[in-house]
Amino acid sequence: AQSVTQLGSHVSVSEGALVLLRCNYSSSVPPYLFWYVQYPNQGLQLLLKYTSAATLVKGINGFEAEFKKSETSFHLTKPSAHMSDAAEYFCAVSVAGNQFYFGTGTSLTVIP
Amino acid sequence: GAVVSQHPSRVICKSGTSVKIECRSLDFQATTMFWYRQFPKKSLMLMATSNEGSKATYEQGVEKDKFLINHASLTLSTLTVTSAHPEDSSFYICSANPIAGASYNEQFFGPGTRLTVL
Repeated sequence: AQSVTQLGSHVSVSEGALVLLRCNYSSSVPPYLFWYVQYPNQGLQLLLKYTSAATLVKGINGFEAEFKKSETSFHLTKPSAHMSDAAEYFCAVSVAGNQFYFGTGTSLTVIP
Repeated sequence: GAVVSQHPSRVICKSGTSVKIECRSLDFQATTMFWYRQFPKKSLMLMATSNEGSKATYEQGVEKDKFLINHASLTLSTLTVTSAHPEDSSFYICSANPIAGASYNEQFFGPGTRLTVL
């Protein structure tokens, strides 16, 4: 079975500071891992995905994530937060792109 | 590429009426589409998996007679909320999984439909 845990339902950072959003997964088979961003009243936009290629994945808007099998983690980072990064972020795991399992989400606040 | 649309984006209806929400994959074919429900400040809850040409698979606790799903073609799935009540008010999001291609292991999400039942 697959599951995702996102530590920290709310994260606040200052503009220009490092963004770190945590995601740990559980999967009985090699997983596909995803990070999505959701702005209010909108659908989900894919930030980046891991599909068994390079463990360090670069996504849009300056985000990246590193797959660490030994830690079963897929944390999302961005070196310098921008005001426009304020949104809800979801980590998800799937097996071969079929059923997705989402984390509970992390709300990112960027303080000017 | 890989765009999923939903219609309507927002709907307000009276209690007891039925509402149909459409999910379309605009530039790819999808044998499988998924319907999610999202409560305010909560994660996405998978309601059902819609399979083209066959019956949908519902998650535990989701009433199949209340949330009717039809996947009539490789680009269209519909969710009908029958006899809607205020507790059905929510944000409904669909996603589609491409049949093949570089993105076959992804799901592409629609923009969501905000349902308000008065």
